[in-house]
Amino acid sequence: NAGVTQTPKFQVLKTGQSMTLQCAQDMNHEYMSWYRQDPGMGLRLIHYSVGAGITDQGEVPNGYNVSRSTTEDFPLRLLSAAPSQTSVYFCASSLRSSGANVLTFGAGSRLTVL
Amino acid sequence: AQKVTQAQTEISVVEKEDVTLDCVYETRDTTYYLFWYKQPPSGELVFLIRRNSFDEQNEISGRYSWNFQKSTSSFNFTITASQVVDSAVYFCALRGGSGAQKLVFGQGTRLTINP
Repeated sequence: NAGVTQTPKFQVLKTGQSMTLQCAQDMNHEYMSWYRQDPGMGLRLIHYSVGAGITDQGEVPNGYNVSRSTTEDFPLRLLSAAPSQTSVYFCASSLRSSGANVLTFGAGSRLTVL
Repeated sequence: AQKVTQAQTEISVVEKEDVTLDCVYETRDTTYYLFWYKQPPSGELVFLIRRNSFDEQNEISGRYSWNFQKSTSSFNFTITASQVVDSAVYFCALRGGSGAQKLVFGQGTRLTINP
């Protein structure tokens, strides 16, 4: 049981480039989400999905795009990378979106934008 | 709006000392859930505990204990007889009934246990 798998683990981009961070889970979880972690700011929610075909914005959605075509996958797209998007990104999932459900996190993807 | 505050940015203690990490939260929900996660130097986020708003019983798990007090909106975490392996960043988080889609994190407390 792999849990939540994120790829790549590390990526360096130039300003203006686009890329996709991949996230896959094999636990049949309905809820999936993307967070970014910046020093001194904890983790902030970028986008989330409560099921296939349903996505919504979190706290810091600007510059990012998501889709949820299958239950398993929830990719995060950076449309035109900016240095402010240098961060560590975490994908997380839970069985349902209700508050009692514990989020399981992927290992993280460290992105540097030059 | 929901908010979690971890006022202690960094704590450093000597091994075997007891240490308490503070967490204060704000929410208007009557039903909500509080969590603690550990982030060791390797970077992954490890779930430690979940507590719902209707259960104010303190919990103990080995050297770890949690004190939940609704009257002060606090959910503090104590490590007894700390060990070097406890060195990590610890996050307190809140997931509400109305905002269940969002897990709100505190800023984190970096705990260093010195041998």
